[in-house]
Amino acid sequence: QVQLVESGGGVVQPGGSLRLSCAASGFTFSSYGMHWVRQAPGKGLEWVAFIRYDGSNKYYADSVKGRFTISRDNSKNTLYLQMNSLRAEDTAVYYCAKEGRGTAMAHWGQGTLVTVSS
Amino acid sequence: QSALTQPASVSGSPGQSITISCTGTSSDVGGYNYVSWYQQHPGKAPKLMIYEVSNRPSGVSNRFSGSKSGNTASLTISGLQAEDEADYYCSSYTSSSTLLYVFGTGTKVTVL
Repeated sequence: QVQLVESGGGVVQPGGSLRLSCAASGFTFSSYGMHWVRQAPGKGLEWVAFIRYDGSNKYYADSVKGRFTISRDNSKNTLYLQMNSLRAEDTAVYYCAKEGRGTAMAHWGQGTLVTVSS
Repeated sequence: QSALTQPASVSGSPGQSITISCTGTSSDVGGYNYVSWYQQHPGKAPKLMIYEVSNRPSGVSNRFSGSKSGNTASLTISGLQAEDEADYYCSSYTSSSTLLYVFGTGTKVTVL
């Protein structure tokens, strides 16, 4: 079955960097687009970024554009999110999600918590 | 681009039906049949319940149904059960220049 496992979260100071990973299994990773979605503590879901199946196109929310970079390594079945210039408002649980039919996010990982604090 | 608008809370008794609305614009909900709905229990990851406005993924109960009229999409839960108590979020593809996808504000469903 589809499995997505995020890692790389932790506590980082404002202005710092962090790289999240999402290890995928149970499906042909190289055939599907992938999302990052985040959820601040006690808040709703916020779409962060999307990358096409072959990495040819990448899209970002305005709130992270220029600071975050989504990438993938299809040979390792792994999705990444490089986060630079982190701010307190980036504190959230970060989920990776597999693209499904009709642009829906068909499967989600368990999430990894990123805390930006001095 | 603002989040899609959902009621903060909806409640119902076991066995009843409830409907959650999701209001957007012609640039998202009204412009595309790419509305999806997600269920999230506390401390858990979201789960896809409806895609493409009204389609259920395999394994999702047929008590969940979706529809759309104009710029407003709706999720109906019939035969409400205790395990349906959760947060629900709608989402839509958007032609906004600042986003590719937008989520709703979220609705807390309480089973009385």
